[in-house]
Amino acid sequence: EPEVTQTPSHQVTQMGQEVILRCVPISNHLYFYWYRQILGQKVEFLVSFYNNEISEKSEIFDDQFSVERPDGSNFTLKIRSTKLEDSAMYFCASGRGGNQPQHFGDGTRLSIL
Amino acid sequence: AQKVTQAQTEISVVEKEDVTLDCVYETRDTTYYLFWYKQPPSGELVFLIRRNSFDEQNEISGRYSWNFQKSTSSFNFTITASQVVDSAVYFCALTGRNRDDKIIFGKGTRLHILP
Repeated sequence: EPEVTQTPSHQVTQMGQEVILRCVPISNHLYFYWYRQILGQKVEFLVSFYNNEISEKSEIFDDQFSVERPDGSNFTLKIRSTKLEDSAMYFCASGRGGNQPQHFGDGTRLSIL
Repeated sequence: AQKVTQAQTEISVVEKEDVTLDCVYETRDTTYYLFWYKQPPSGELVFLIRRNSFDEQNEISGRYSWNFQKSTSSFNFTITASQVVDSAVYFCALTGRNRDDKIIFGKGTRLHILP
């Protein structure tokens, strides 16, 4: 069964550095999402992306964050200047829309030192 | 606004006991979808079930069962004859009817199954 893949599984970065988290959604999906889960807390929506533009973003998704679908297969989340509080598990998801469920990747654990 | 409440932060039961995880939701949509996800210690989100708002039939899958009660806005999850491998954090979640609707998660219930 096709699945959403995320790389790397764990990323360690110094505070202030830029980080790019990568996702390969399921190939016939049109809707893409990033979610964040700070350790021990709930999963929170960051951003949704459709037709090469952001559909919706949460208040967490400030100017330090950006998303891109650079080549028709990858879907990336960039954090420009990381802060300690960006340490979290980041989940990518994709879906076909309508009443079809979103499929989640296994997540990237981001640790900011 | 949409909201999911899981009042039980943490539950511990002895193996083979039955356990019910509670979920209450709020939404103004008439069409919506409810989910349960399992998050084992390895961290990934494992999809368990999706139920749409028009289908109030209870569902059973092996040792798992779900009770959807629209009248009380609840979507409770029961594990029968629990096993140690059921130890995980369980999230109830909600999404609306629009194509690109985000999923709103509850805070999760951490379930410990004691041997």
